[in-house]
Amino acid sequence: GAGVSQSPSNKVTEKGKDVELRCDPISGHTALYWYRQSLGQGLEFLIYFQGNSAPDKSGLPSDRFSAERTGGSVSTLTIQRTQQEDSAVYLCASSVPPGNQPQHFGDGTRLSIL
Amino acid sequence: AQTVTQSQPEMSVQEAETVTLSCTYDTSESDYYLFWYKQPPSRQMILVIRQEAYKQQNATENRFSVNFQKAAKSFSLKISDSQLGDAAMYFCAYQAREYGNKLVFGAGTILRVKS
Repeated sequence: GAGVSQSPSNKVTEKGKDVELRCDPISGHTALYWYRQSLGQGLEFLIYFQGNSAPDKSGLPSDRFSAERTGGSVSTLTIQRTQQEDSAVYLCASSVPPGNQPQHFGDGTRLSIL
Repeated sequence: AQTVTQSQPEMSVQEAETVTLSCTYDTSESDYYLFWYKQPPSRQMILVIRQEAYKQQNATENRFSVNFQKAAKSFSLKISDSQLGDAAMYFCAYQAREYGNKLVFGAGTILRVKS
């Protein structure tokens, strides 16, 4: 596909369960970003990948959150032992180098914790 | 810390009229970029317009233009000839290489377009 692809589109899970969110960036985009958008709020940065390495993890809210990227392409954001406050839309974006090029966003995953 | 402030939670405009959305930011950097993104109910973030801080000329994209006041740290978006399809949440965002090029977003402004 031409754009950033995220899956699943929606995820409902019970408190305490682990979830994995997937992002497939635009081909050739080496920079990949995860953001979180809570209800009625702006987006907050979570983590940034350049290739397979993550030079900036400063936005991850707790050690229950982790992310990886393999092959310089697909990224997975994992939330362990989910809490109700984790409910939000998780958006992924990618860009070509240099890093100040516009970021292209996926449609996001809406995560709901019961 | 870099912060972006959008002081208008909600704005309304009549179809075919002009509306201006406000944005201010705080930074000590001299090299940065500013963006306006549109988010319709579909959730997708759509880039509306981009401004490089080193450029004095205001960016324009068809009906969308900005008023960039670097000294005042102000970056407003003007939408001319508003259309029903312009209704969305609009986010102002800041990006600087010194901070890994992550985007720092404002809280957003809901724009309603009346027919």
